[in-house]
Amino acid sequence: NAGVMQNPRHLVRRRGQEARLRCSPMKGHSHVYWYRQLPEEGLKFMVYLQKENIIDESGMPKERFSAEFPKEGPSILRIQQVVRGDSAAYFCASSPPSLQASDGNTIYFGEGSWLTVV
Amino acid sequence: QKEVEQNSGPLSVPEGAIASLNCTYSDRGSQSFFWYRQYSGKSPELIMFIYSNGDKEDGRFTAQLNKASQYVSLLIRDSQPSDSATYLCAVNRGLNDMRFGAGTRLTVKP
Repeated sequence: NAGVMQNPRHLVRRRGQEARLRCSPMKGHSHVYWYRQLPEEGLKFMVYLQKENIIDESGMPKERFSAEFPKEGPSILRIQQVVRGDSAAYFCASSPPSLQASDGNTIYFGEGSWLTVV
Repeated sequence: QKEVEQNSGPLSVPEGAIASLNCTYSDRGSQSFFWYRQYSGKSPELIMFIYSNGDKEDGRFTAQLNKASQYVSLLIRDSQPSDSATYLCAVNRGLNDMRFGAGTRLTVKP
């Protein structure tokens, strides 16, 4: 049972280019989360999606950032016109449909995508 | 007020001691609570979860939850140098909405 798959693991972009980060959730998981982690800082929530539906994007910067989770294929986090401040680790996580307290279900993380903007 | 607050540390304890990590949360409707460990350059991995008031023990780890005080803690007994990492508190606010604290960096000195 494959875990959460993220690619690329490492990505270098020049300022002004676009970055696309992909995430395939665990089998049977219907929800995807994206978090950003700046160096020496904690995880910052960005967006939470189901297939074809953005549930909560309150953590997404207003400009240049977008996310999707199409009916087929992986979830994609897209950063347009990258700047140096976008350099960070971007973690994707997935969860099953239900995170009821008594289930003990939780979210599982991918290995992360490290974006460096030069 | 942040949704999930943790002391950033660093917290330093000698090998064999008890490490105590604390977390408070703001949403009273939060349902379940998780502790993740993250080594430098790696992704977070789940250590424990708790959803009922009281203590929950798993090996050297004990999670404590007090919903009235909106407080969660993690105790690590007999700390080992390999426990040195950042510990993240996470809260399920309901409807699969997971929010994380900034993490506490723990160093266990041999």
